[in-house]
Amino acid sequence: GESVGLHLPTLSVQEGDNSIINCAYSNSASDYFIWYKQESGKGPQFIIDIRSNMDKRQGQRVTVLLNKTVKHLSLQIAATQPGDSAVYFCAEKKYGNKLVFGAGTILRVKS
Amino acid sequence: EAGVAQSPRYKIIEKRQSVAFWCNPISGHATLYWYQQILGQGPKLLIQFQNNGVVDDSQLPKDRFSAERLKGVDSTLKIQPAKLEDSAVYLCASSPAPGSNYEQYFGPGTRLTVT
Repeated sequence: GESVGLHLPTLSVQEGDNSIINCAYSNSASDYFIWYKQESGKGPQFIIDIRSNMDKRQGQRVTVLLNKTVKHLSLQIAATQPGDSAVYFCAEKKYGNKLVFGAGTILRVKS
Repeated sequence: EAGVAQSPRYKIIEKRQSVAFWCNPISGHATLYWYQQILGQGPKLLIQFQNNGVVDDSQLPKDRFSAERLKGVDSTLKIQPAKLEDSAVYLCASSPAPGSNYEQYFGPGTRLTVT
């Protein structure tokens, strides 16, 4: 079956360092991916998205990289701050706006 | 702009009891989604509405779960009877339309504990 999953369940980084969160997907036909941030007690919040015709997309302090050869995408957060502490999910957007989420990575920022 | 509203925020029930969750999407959003998020997992889509019609309910356990969006605005999700494995956060999301260009906006969720 198709799935979207993550390599590392927990990532601890020092404040100010860069963070890299990874995600693997199995459906080579996937063409649209999204990263979400979920803080405790809240719903997922959109961070950044990327289409399969792109290798890289940048936002404010965040960059998403897509490697279609190995079916892998990553989220890079520059100068990680305590407010970045959350669970991060990659999700695949399918026909009809249906989202398929991975299991998530916990990001802990140490001050 | 007000976000997606959900109530209650927390609910504790015993197995075999019934429970209902309510969602008010962002004003004007035609598409509404219910997700189930089990602890330690990503959200899983249960049902998708376009206005008051069901678009996708393929992952809804229809023997115990039901959902409606009678007037194409608010929605309720019901579980009857509840099982222990239904303990999860139930998230509601809405988007202006079902197309892939439209972002989904999530509510805070209802945390259900079945004992």
